[in-house]
Amino acid sequence: NAGVMQNPRHLVRRRGQEARLRCSPMKGHSHVYWYRQLPEEGLKFMVYLQKENIIDESGMPKERFSAEFPKEGPSILRIQQVVRGDSAAYFCASSGGGEQYFGPGTRLTVT
Amino acid sequence: SQELEQSPQSLIVQEGKNLTINCTSSKTLYGLYWYKQKYGEGLIFLMMLQKGGEEKSHEKITAKLDEKKQQSSLHITASQPSHAGIYLCGADINYGGSQGNLIFGKGTKLSVKP
Repeated sequence: NAGVMQNPRHLVRRRGQEARLRCSPMKGHSHVYWYRQLPEEGLKFMVYLQKENIIDESGMPKERFSAEFPKEGPSILRIQQVVRGDSAAYFCASSGGGEQYFGPGTRLTVT
Repeated sequence: SQELEQSPQSLIVQEGKNLTINCTSSKTLYGLYWYKQKYGEGLIFLMMLQKGGEEKSHEKITAKLDEKKQQSSLHITASQPSHAGIYLCGADINYGGSQGNLIFGKGTKLSVKP
C-alpha cells in the first residue's frame, strides 16, 4: 500500500540548469497536485492535473515552469533555467477525488 | 492577504498537557484539512472536515469545524513528545469543493517538553 512517491528527494542544480521532479500518485488516484513551500512561507498551490489534462494551473509561474501527467508514468514538474529563488521544497499530493495525500517532497537547491 | 490564519504560531507545552490550535478563514470553508509535518519531511494527513459542526477524532487528536464553517480547531489531549511537529490547516474555499487548489495556513509549531 505505497503512498505518494516523489523523486529525487534532494536535487541540486546550478543556475540556468533544468530541474525535473517526479511524482507517482497513490494506487488508484488519478488527481495530482503540486505545491511549493518556500523557506519561512506557507505551502502554495501550483497546479492540478488529471491524466493527460491540466485542470488548474493558476498557481504556476508564467515562465520556466511546466507540468504534465501522462497517460503512463509519473507526473513531472519541470523547471527550466533555474534561479536561486526556485530553491524550495516541492510537494506532490494525490487524491481519488477526496482527501489529498502528500508525498515526502523534493528539496531543490539552486547554487 | 493571508486567507487562512493559524494561531498560535508556535506552542511549547509540558508533556501530558492539553492544547488547542485554531485555524480561521476569511471565507466560507468547503473542506478543511489538518496535516502534521515534521521538519524537512512531507505532510501527514490527519483529518478532513466538510460539514458545519462536524467533529472528528483520531487517537488523542480531535478536530472541529464550526457551524458557520469559517473556523476550525485542533485539540490534542494529554500531549506526548510524538505529537511535536508543525500542524498545518488547509482549506478548499471553492464552492462545490474538490477544485484541488487548497490554501494553507503558515502552520503552528508544537514542541512538547518531556
